[in-house]
Amino acid sequence: GESVGLHLPTLSVQEGDNSIINCAYSNSASDYFIWYKQESGKGPQFIIDIRSNMDKRQGQRVTVLLNKTVKHLSLQIAATQPGDSAVYFCAEANSGNTPLVFGKGTRLSVIA
Amino acid sequence: EPEVTQTPSHQVTQMGQEVILRCVPISNHLYFYWYRQILGQKVEFLVSFYNNEISEKSEIFDDQFSVERPDGSNFTLKIRSTKLEDSAMYFCASSEGTGGRVLTFGAGSRLTVL
Repeated sequence: GESVGLHLPTLSVQEGDNSIINCAYSNSASDYFIWYKQESGKGPQFIIDIRSNMDKRQGQRVTVLLNKTVKHLSLQIAATQPGDSAVYFCAEANSGNTPLVFGKGTRLSVIA
Repeated sequence: EPEVTQTPSHQVTQMGQEVILRCVPISNHLYFYWYRQILGQKVEFLVSFYNNEISEKSEIFDDQFSVERPDGSNFTLKIRSTKLEDSAMYFCASSEGTGGRVLTFGAGSRLTVL
């Protein structure tokens, strides 16, 4: 599959600002989407998920938006904190038995 | 909070040696997975396992790889003859179901092949 290599897209935001991380997914048959956060040296941690029958879902300080027409997913983080600094991955699957497929990551750097 | 545990956290091995990475999934989960992440790259699916058999595998998961659930709690990934390009973080994950369920990942095992 396609790989990012050593240079991930990076988003730098000031502490307290809102962050928006975008993801383009590839499979039009996918109907389930997840955002994971990966801190340095750790495994991916679940943030929020959304099914294709929704276009928006909110969690605590996070919102996921799904646009199936253009196969686009975004993660919005409100009032970004230093602890939000990490690499964020979107992942897709469908309701069959296909495995979760990860997209390219985005590195979020929060400037204090 | 239940978690997936992996051992070892880091293993260094010589090319051609066999390696076994171990995982203890969350106890009530039925589906188990191995993913790998080469440094700086995205997380790639290797294999999924359900009901004591492989349910799906990627093209990365060739004959050098095998998985086993030897005792009802551990889930292992074996690489029979390691190559330099096997150097990566290997993540175990488990889920209650499949088809759109949250995977819980372990902290990973870093494999370095010299």
